[in-house]
Order: sequence, then structure tokens, then C-alpha cells
Amino acid sequence: KQEVTQIPAALSVPEGENLVLNCSFTDSAIYNLQWFRQDPGKGLTSLLLIQSSQREQTSGRLNASLDKSSGRSTLYIAASQPGDSATYLCAVKLGGGSNYKLTFGKGTLLTVNP
Amino acid sequence: DAGVIQSPRHEVTEMGQEVTLRCKPISGHNSLFWYRQTMMRGLELLIYFNNNVPIDDSGMPEDRFSAKMPNASFSTLKIQPSEPRDSAVYFCASSLGDPTEAFFGQGTRLTVV
Repeated sequence: KQEVTQIPAALSVPEGENLVLNCSFTDSAIYNLQWFRQDPGKGLTSLLLIQSSQREQTSGRLNASLDKSSGRSTLYIAASQPGDSATYLCAVKLGGGSNYKLTFGKGTLLTVNP
Repeated sequence: DAGVIQSPRHEVTEMGQEVTLRCKPISGHNSLFWYRQTMMRGLELLIYFNNNVPIDDSGMPEDRFSAKMPNASFSTLKIQPSEPRDSAVYFCASSLGDPTEAFFGQGTRLTVV
């Protein structure tokens, strides 16, 4: 059974700092990995999607990497801002007949202090 | 489009009562997902509909939970009878098939006392 773990559970940093969020998964036979942002009282918003054949994806100040063989992904946020404060979740998608399922981590609660 | 619309946003009910959560997916989307989010277990898929047909309900925790999708623009998740351990945030999401392209509603926060 695929398990997804995110460390740390919570992170507090001063504004302007670069930071890394971690995601690990137990079964490397994934189809892709996705990073989401969740604001309080809101649904999930997709940030980055990395296919299993890719090593990284970038969007603005965000960079996500994927090391499928070791079962790890990182989300790098450059020059953090208070507006980045949110919970960040990663999710993996299996292929084949279960390609409608995403397995989520529990998230990292990020607080960026002004 | 207004996105995925869920109602109510908040629900407080007493143990033993019936609870019905509602979802209106994005028009044209053929896939609908119900998720539950708790601190202990994170976000879990409860049931997946494709073209209004339940494809996988293996995530539904107990027979107390049921879901329907009578048409392409409406789905319900019902809990009867509700229990305190059902307290969670329930999300509905819709897509054109791929779950990685799903749009999420704002969720319903359910509290069972």
C-alpha cells in the first residue's frame, strides 16, 4: 500500500528565506507526483505536477524535484513571502487501473513571518 | 464557471442524526471525487464517480456512508447515523477524468457532537 509522508509537519520561517519541503513515498511505481497548496477554509490548488519521467518542474519561485528511485520529492520555495503561508500537500498517482487515485501526504503547515 | 460548489460550508449535528453533504461539479466535467480530510489520516478518497456511475467506493468507511450522483450536475454524500468520529472536512472535486486536473470545492466542515 502506497504511503506518503511529509516532513516537517510544520515550518516557520522569516520572510525572504529560501526553504525546502519534503515528501517521501513508499512505492516508487508512481505515474506522477503533484504538489498542492491549501489555504485555511479553502480547497486544494494545484501548484506543480511532475511526471515520473521528469526530474523537476518550475513555476515562478517554486521548484519541485522528483527522485523516483529513492521515493522522494522536494518543493523549493525561493525568497519566501507572507503570502506563501499555507499548508502544502504532495500526492502521488498510481498508473494502470487505479489511475484515478491520488495518495496524499498529511501536509506541511508553512508560516512565513513578516 | 463558479467552480465546484459545496454546501453547506459548515454543519454541526448531534450524534445519530442524518447528514447530507451536497456538491455541484464544474459543468462538463465527467469525473467526481469525494474526499475526507482529518488530522489523523490526512486526505482520503471516499468514492469516485465517472459519468455519474460509482466506479470505486472502497474508501467509504462504513455502511453508514452512502453517495449518489443522480445527474451530471449534482452529487450527495450522506451519513446516517452520524457519529463524532465522522467529524472532518469533506471535499468534492471534479475533472474531465484525470484526478491531477481536478478542481476542488471549498469543503464542508462537519462536526458531530
